[in-house]
Amino acid sequence: AQSVTQLDSQVPVFEEAPVELRCNYSSSVSVYLFWYVQYPNQGLQLLLKYLSGSTLVKGINGFEAEFNKSQTSFHLRKPSVHISDTAEYFCAVSDQSSASKIIFGSGTRLSIRP
Amino acid sequence: EPEVTQTPSHQVTQMGQEVILRCVPISNHLYFYWYRQILGQKVEFLVSFYNNEISEKSEIFDDQFSVERPDGSNFTLKIRSTKLEDSAMYFCASSATGHSVDTFGSGTRLTVV
Repeated sequence: AQSVTQLDSQVPVFEEAPVELRCNYSSSVSVYLFWYVQYPNQGLQLLLKYLSGSTLVKGINGFEAEFNKSQTSFHLRKPSVHISDTAEYFCAVSDQSSASKIIFGSGTRLSIRP
Repeated sequence: EPEVTQTPSHQVTQMGQEVILRCVPISNHLYFYWYRQILGQKVEFLVSFYNNEISEKSEIFDDQFSVERPDGSNFTLKIRSTKLEDSAMYFCASSATGHSVDTFGSGTRLTVV
């Protein structure tokens, strides 16, 4: 079985500062990894995903994440955040043989201060 | 941009009543899903659906739950006899390939009283 740990429940940063949202996973099998964003009163939107290939994955809105197999991590980064990035961010994992059953982390609330 | 549409956005129902949550997936997608998020908890997988049958379901998805694709566009989740603990945000999702769940709807908030 897989699990996902998002170490920070809340991350406050100043506008235009860099941000890293941490995610660690555990699994005994090969996995796919995802980051989703949920803006207030909206659904989940896929930011980026790692299925295979390059370990550095670029997503929408200037976000990127790096898959580190040895550290079982998939941290999300953005070099300069905007007020519009205020949202909840969810890291998620699925077993490659059962890709529809996504296991979500508990989420990190990113709040941007002007 | 194509989106997954869910109706209603909020539904209140009495305990023991049947409820149907409706979803219109993206038109050329073949894989459909329901997830839910109880307030303050993680998003949880309920069921996946492909080729007119359930392909996978979680322990949560017991006999009280069922899914259906009644026509070419809708995908529904039925809860036969709602319990207080069914109160949650229910998300529908769809995928073209089944390798990743790319698109979720904005959810239906179900409140059981």
